[in-house]
Amino acid sequence: DAGVIQSPRHEVTEMGQEVTLRCKPISGHDYLFWYRQTMMRGLELLIYFNNNVPIDDSGMPEDRFSAKMPNASFSTLKIQPSEPRDSAVYFCASSSGTEILGGYTFGSGTRLTVV
Amino acid sequence: AQSVAQPEDQVNVAEGNPLTVKCTYSVSGNPYLFWYVQYPNRGLQFLLKYITGDNLVKGSYGFEAEFNKSQTSFHLKKPSALVSDSALYFCAASGYSTLTFGKGTMLLVSP
Repeated sequence: DAGVIQSPRHEVTEMGQEVTLRCKPISGHDYLFWYRQTMMRGLELLIYFNNNVPIDDSGMPEDRFSAKMPNASFSTLKIQPSEPRDSAVYFCASSSGTEILGGYTFGSGTRLTVV
Repeated sequence: AQSVAQPEDQVNVAEGNPLTVKCTYSVSGNPYLFWYVQYPNRGLQFLLKYITGDNLVKGSYGFEAEFNKSQTSFHLKKPSALVSDSALYFCAASGYSTLTFGKGTMLLVSP
């Protein structure tokens, strides 16, 4: 298995532009998580899905952020409009409900820079 | 609500010396505890976990962690540090489906 795949690896955009981050979870995993990592706040859980359904989005910072999971093999995190304070590394992770205690498998992350 | 604390932002150790990275947790019910490592420009990699049983858990790359229920701690240890162990280490605690992470501790191993 290729693991959790995120794209792009790096994104530089101007303030006000729309940004879309993509994630392909491990096949067979039914949980998908989006995290944001910054120096100041560490790793923050933004939202997670179970069987493509959003379960908890309380970590989504503002209405500018939205996430979708149209099918079991794809999820997006969208920021519209983007702001400089959104600059961070965004991680996607997946896990299997039957093996949740085995922890998560993380993607390599998308480094977002908003200028 | 569950929480994880890593009291040290950075730990410095000389190669060959033992290392400890500290973690304390607060969860309701039985704790499920994890350590992850992050190398530069990479995602987090699973190191080890405690679910139940033996308080000393062995994991990847020679790391181990000691679960102490009375002190609500789950410290990461290694008997002999390597320069290649230098990375960012995260402790995490789990409820049923979500992991709560500590802020991370940077481990620097000097030659």
